[in-house]
Order: sequence, then C-alpha cells, then structure tokens
Amino acid sequence: DAKTTQPPSMDCAEGRAANLPCNHSTISGNEYVYWYRQIHSQGPQYIIHGLKNNETNEMASLIITEDRKSSTLILPHATLRDTAVYYCIVKGRKEFYFGTGTSLTVIP
Amino acid sequence: DAGVIQSPRHEVTEMGQEVTLRCKPISGHNSLFWYRQTMMRGLELLIYFNNNVPIDDSGMPEDRFSAKMPNASFSTLKIQPSEPRDSAVYFCASSFGQRNTIYFGEGSWLTVV
Repeated sequence: DAKTTQPPSMDCAEGRAANLPCNHSTISGNEYVYWYRQIHSQGPQYIIHGLKNNETNEMASLIITEDRKSSTLILPHATLRDTAVYYCIVKGRKEFYFGTGTSLTVIP
Repeated sequence: DAGVIQSPRHEVTEMGQEVTLRCKPISGHNSLFWYRQTMMRGLELLIYFNNNVPIDDSGMPEDRFSAKMPNASFSTLKIQPSEPRDSAVYFCASSFGQRNTIYFGEGSWLTVV
C-alpha cells in the first residue's frame, strides 16, 4: 500500500475550518484514502474515506486532487472536542497501517 | 448498536504473569484485528482473523504472544509470560470483510511491573 506524509502538528482556532493535508504520491488506482482520528485515551475513530471523488459526511469533507496524489480533510467548524491525532491511510489490498498522523489542537 | 467491546479496560500485572485480553467484535462483522499502541512505535497491527481463521500474524512480536478466535463473537490475545516492555494499549477492531472500514474498541491498557 502507498505511504502517506502528514505534518506532525497543526493548530486551528475554534469555529474555524481545519484543513488537514496528506500526501500520497505513490497511490495506485484501486487504493482508497481513509481518515481516522484518535482522541486521547480512546480508540481510533473512523471519519471518512474516498477513492476519486470528493466526499462529505456529518463529520467532515474529503477533498482528493484530480491526480489523487494528495488529499485534504476538512472539519468545517472545529470545536475543542476535535483536538486529536488525525491519521491519513491509503488502503488497497493490505490491512490498515497507521503512520504517525497529525496532532490537531483546536484553540479557544 | 454496540461497538467493539474489550475487556479488561485496565490491567496491572507483575512480570511473569499471564495476561489475557478479550474482544467481542461488532455483530455481523467477520474480520477481527488486534493492534498494539505505544509511544515509541505508534499503532502496530499484531494479527488479524477472517471468518475466525488467522490470516496474518506477522506482527506478533514473539512466541509469548498468542491469539485465538474460537467463534465469530469472541477473541483473546494472550501474553505468557508478560514482560514490562509489553506495557501498552491493546486495541481490537472489526470489519465486515477484511478490506472494509474497521471499527475500534476503546482499548485495554496494560501495565506490566
């Protein structure tokens, strides 16, 4: 499965949109982009996934570039409860392998 | 609906003791995964089962670790004998089909002293 690169940390003001980038330049055609987050002391939580098209659900939006080499997770109105580590995973045939993720801190 | 249920949530044990962690996957899910998380190594996949059969145990650190899935609704991860370096959070996750979205339990926090 393709590897991903994420910034180690980011800050976001409460109420603002949080845009978390992920690079996956070696992604292949049948690999999905998944996002999970892990709030301290809890298990990782599924957020969203996509293949080519942009996706939106009640938690977030996922924007995938046309060449699929990068993506952005958007939390439209960040709250303090969104402070967590966010993992971007490219998944094909193999299982979910988590990198180090982005530690997002939402600031009051 | 109940999510993935793990027990115990917290365990403190002495070095050399046997530790058994338990997991009940989401009803209807047929794939089950055990992960371990430490500060140094992050989230590591230890083993996964599909239809109760172990598919890949290459992540199991050594022979002291063993995992079983006797039926579709129950799995155990056993460490015998336990060592201080086994201290970690152990997560169980399940999915419908091994390639689909996985859902995690809240973890079992193990401390070996």
